[in-house]
Amino acid sequence: NAGVTQTPKFQVLKTGQSMTLQCAQDMNHEYMSWYRQDPGMGLRLIHYSVGAGITDQGEVPNGYNVSRSTTEDFPLRLLSAAPSQTSVYFCASSYGTGQSYEQYFGPGTRLTVT
Amino acid sequence: AQKVTQAQTEISVVEKEDVTLDCVYETRDTTYYLFWYKQPPSGELVFLIRRNSFDEQNEISGRYSWNFQKSTSSFNFTITASQVVDSAVYFCALRSSSGAGSYQLTFGKGTKLSVIP
Repeated sequence: NAGVTQTPKFQVLKTGQSMTLQCAQDMNHEYMSWYRQDPGMGLRLIHYSVGAGITDQGEVPNGYNVSRSTTEDFPLRLLSAAPSQTSVYFCASSYGTGQSYEQYFGPGTRLTVT
Repeated sequence: AQKVTQAQTEISVVEKEDVTLDCVYETRDTTYYLFWYKQPPSGELVFLIRRNSFDEQNEISGRYSWNFQKSTSSFNFTITASQVVDSAVYFCALRSSSGAGSYQLTFGKGTKLSVIP
């Protein structure tokens, strides 16, 4: 199993540009989520999905869009990039929620918005 | 609302010293789950341990041990005989068993551990 994969690993955007961060998992996990990590802030939840076709907002959803058309994929879209979105983005997946299921994290995408 | 506090922002120890990383949490739930993750300089997040709220047994895994105390809402992590490879940022995290908190891990801000040779 490849686990959770993310592409790209690094990205530089100009303010106002849009892009999609890709996330895929091959573990047949129902639950997927996106976090952002900023210095001194820990990880904060952006959006999550409890299954194909079902998504919801997390703690910091503004400026981001998600969809989940398949169990495997959960892309994160930046609609109009802003410098405040400079961060490291992690995708995660687990078998479910509300249990002690471990969340498996992808390797991260380092995004810089100039 | 849930909250995880890691009061130690940065810790430096000399190799072979023991070090304890503190984690204090807040939740109204009676059933919840606590986690520790390690983030080495390479950046990935490595799962270390999971603990259920109804299981207060401490755990030891090699040089790592965890002390869960429900009475003080703490879940501290001790590394015995630290090594340079232990240098990393360590995150404590909390997840509820139901409701909005079950959909996310609530992370502390992390403790950066530097082990000096």
